[in-house]
Parts: sequence; structure tokens; C-alpha cells
Amino acid sequence: GAVVSQHPSWVICKSGTSVKIECRSLDFQATTMFWYRQFPKQSLMLMATSNEGSKATYEQGVEKDKFLINHASLTLSTLTVTSAHPEDSSFYICSALGWGGPTGELFFGEGSRLTVL
Amino acid sequence: GNSVTQMEGPVTLSEEAFLTINCTYTATGYPSLFWYVQYPGEGLQLLLKATKADDKGSNKGFEATYRKETTSFHLEKGSVQVSDSAVYFCALIRNSGNTPLVFGKGTRLSVIA
Repeated sequence: GAVVSQHPSWVICKSGTSVKIECRSLDFQATTMFWYRQFPKQSLMLMATSNEGSKATYEQGVEKDKFLINHASLTLSTLTVTSAHPEDSSFYICSALGWGGPTGELFFGEGSRLTVL
Repeated sequence: GNSVTQMEGPVTLSEEAFLTINCTYTATGYPSLFWYVQYPGEGLQLLLKATKADDKGSNKGFEATYRKETTSFHLEKGSVQVSDSAVYFCALIRNSGNTPLVFGKGTRLSVIA
């Protein structure tokens, strides 16, 4: 089946640094990818919708200057957490829409756990 | 707007017990419905789905039926195993455009031997 890969799977950084997380669709082209954030013992919160070749659409309350999303190709979307702070520590998950349109399957990456010291 | 409501956990069951996790939804139109599972330390995996009313999704002994009249998609399994211990998320997606999944808050299931 289709696979979505995230990298890195975990990262520890110092406060004030920036961290980039990559999301790749390995065997299909994904015009649309979604970025979610998961707090401990809570559900996934949609952060933004990433469309290839255009600006990402951010959900209300998500700082677009803080969480930079780039979807430069049909197989790669990146999320950069700029000037990270401890409250940005979280589990970030991307997903990509596979074939079959909106009723088709959304494939999820393995997630990236960010810890900001 | 679209939303999903799941029964709150945690749910603790003995091995071979019957499982039901309730899920109801609110949506415009007729969405597709999903159950995802997240095992400890892992990402999300699709467990089953149903794309129209009265469809039944099934996988690994789990079942859920899309009930339009009650706007529900309850997850059931006749005999749970310790390996079923995980967090289960009910989700929906609108059947138009490239829209994201809307998730319920998740229900943590612990199965004890």
C-alpha cells in the first residue's frame, strides 16, 4: 500500500532554534498533504492544509509565521517550527491524500516527536 | 460544522470480552467515516472505513456500520485481545474536495489478560 514517511521521527532542540520536519509520499503523488499536531493523551489537531505549488491554508489559531509549511513537489511537504519554545514540544503527524479522491484513504506518516529544551 | 464525538475512555476490558466504542458525528451532506488505531509509540493506521449509509467496514475482527438515521459509526469487536490495546479514533471526511479528516478525541482501550 501507499506509504508516507516522516523524518526525523524524533528531535530534541534548544529553545530558539528552528526545526524542519519532512513528509514524503513514497509511491504516489500527493497534491494535498495535511499537518496535524497531537498533544499527550489528546486527539489530533489539524494545523494546516498543504497544497503543492501554493501557500498552505492554516487553521484558526495556528501561527503561520511560526509553523512554516512548504509543499514544493508532489511528493514532499515540509514543516518548519521556527524559533521553537518548550510549548512547541509535541507530536507532529502529516498525512497525504491517496488515490480515490476525498473518499480514498488518507495515509499517515509515522509522526515526529519534537522536544524543545 | 463537521464534528465527531466519541465515548471517553479509558476503557479497560478482560481478554475475550466484547468491545463497543461509540461514535456519533455531525456533518453537512454525507461524509465518509473512518476508524483509525494508534498503537503505543506509533503513528495512525486506518482500521476500517465506510463511504455511504448502511455500509459496514470490517478489519481484524472489528466492525462498524454507517448509520445515517442515528448519525453513528460505533466500533465493535466480539472478542478483544491484549494486542488490541491502543487508542482508537473515529473520523470523518467530507466527500467533496481535498478536505482533511476531522477526528474525535480518541478512546484508549486497555485489554488485560
